[in-house]
Amino acid sequence: DADVTQTPRNRITKTGKRIMLECSQTKGHDRMYWYRQDPGLGLRLIYYSFDVKDINKGEISDGYSVSRQAQAKFSLSLESAIPNQTALYFCATQSEREGPAQYFGPGTRLTVT
Amino acid sequence: AQSVTQLGSHVSVSEGALVLLRCNYSSSVPPYLFWYVQYPNQGLQLLLKYTSAATLVKGINGFEAEFKKSETSFHLTKPSAHMSDAAEYFCAVSPSGAGSYQLTFGKGTKLSVIP
Repeated sequence: DADVTQTPRNRITKTGKRIMLECSQTKGHDRMYWYRQDPGLGLRLIYYSFDVKDINKGEISDGYSVSRQAQAKFSLSLESAIPNQTALYFCATQSEREGPAQYFGPGTRLTVT
Repeated sequence: AQSVTQLGSHVSVSEGALVLLRCNYSSSVPPYLFWYVQYPNQGLQLLLKYTSAATLVKGINGFEAEFKKSETSFHLTKPSAHMSDAAEYFCAVSPSGAGSYQLTFGKGTKLSVIP
C-alpha cells in the first residue's frame, strides 16, 4: 500500500461549490504539506502543518483552508471553488527527525467549471 | 529568500545519449538541494538529495548530481538515457538550518527521449 494517499484522484466540480481534498499517510511523519501544480509554474505551497496544533499559510493560501485532524490526516478545502483553482494538488509528508526530504502522494486532479 | 532556476523547460536527447538537466540556486548560505521526477499521472518521486555531505550525490535509476558552491549549481546527469527516463524533473531547495526544511521548487524540465 502507498505511504501517502490522496482522495479523490480526480474531481470535477462547479463554480461556487465547496470541496474537500483528503490526504492520509502511514509514514509516521509529523509534518504535512499541500501544494498545487500548474503547467509551467512548478509546485507552489498552499499550507503546511508541523503537527496537529500547528497550521501555517504558504505562498498561495487565499481561497483555501486546511484541517489537520490527526497526525496522519491533513485535508484541504476550497470553500467556494473558482475556475482558476483548476490544478493538480499534491500532499507531501516530512519528518523533522529524519531530515528535509518530502514524500509526495499521487495527486488529485481538480477541475472547476 | 531562496530560489531555484531550471534552465530549459524542455530537453530532448537521443536514447543512449548523455542527460544533463540544469539547476541553479540562489541562497545566502549553502542550502539543501533535491531532484524529483514526475512520471505522467503520478506524484513526485525523490531522485536524490544533497544535505552537506559528499558533493557528488548518486540517486536512483543511474542519475547523479554535483553540488558546486562556486557556481551555485546542482545539475542532474545520467550517462546514457533510456526511454523510461522520459518525465518531468524538478529541482528544489531548502534552508539548511535545523527545523525549517521548506522546499522551494523550480518550474520543471520536461525530458523527452528520442528512439
